[in-house]
Amino acid sequence: DIQMTQSPSSLSASVGDRVTITCRASQGISNYLAWFQQKPGKAPKSLIYAASVLQSGVPSKFSGSGSGTDFTLTISSLQPEDFATYYCQQYNNFPYTFGQGTKLDIK
Amino acid sequence: QVQLVQSGAEVKKPGSSVKVSCKASGGTFSSYGISWVRQAPGQGLEWMGGIIPSFGRTNYAQKFQGRVTIIADESTSTVYMELSSLRSEDTAVYYCARSSVVTPAYVDYWGQGTLVTVSS
Repeated sequence: DIQMTQSPSSLSASVGDRVTITCRASQGISNYLAWFQQKPGKAPKSLIYAASVLQSGVPSKFSGSGSGTDFTLTISSLQPEDFATYYCQQYNNFPYTFGQGTKLDIK
Repeated sequence: QVQLVQSGAEVKKPGSSVKVSCKASGGTFSSYGISWVRQAPGQGLEWMGGIIPSFGRTNYAQKFQGRVTIIADESTSTVYMELSSLRSEDTAVYYCARSSVVTPAYVDYWGQGTLVTVSS
């Protein structure tokens, strides 16, 4: 199975900050990488697919990049509603594995 | 709009089985696949398997092989996930999620989740 490793596992930031979360795959996955946002007690929400393509309705403050094994999610101008846990997922090979998550909280 | 509506919470005994449903609306059922992802309390997301109803094709994570069955009823646009030989470690919220039929397939919409509690 492909292992997905996110860093950091947790991150504290302030409203208005720009943050970057990293996701590394244990082997190359081309650009078959998705990002999800999850708030406590809620279902995940799809943000990005194909490493950098925003899902419909997702604001442009979210951006993704990368290919191969190294990927990033950047969130600019943090707002209170952005504080959540973020997961990456590879969908290049079955089983479609997730990173362990990055919890973003308010400093 | 696209909606995936899952069945309600379940409490099961160890060794029994649970069947969770996921009814899709707002799209063409045959144009999509459905995956199942679970989340144990306080833990991350875990992909269990998926189905492409129009092709009748399923894929399961090795971890769940032999215990999980995913089937689709195209007449009602509903996908079912059955997990057998339940143990306490299977206590989790189970989500269905929609993806395209073209692989590699990314998820776009999620169901609201179904809490399955396994307890004696």
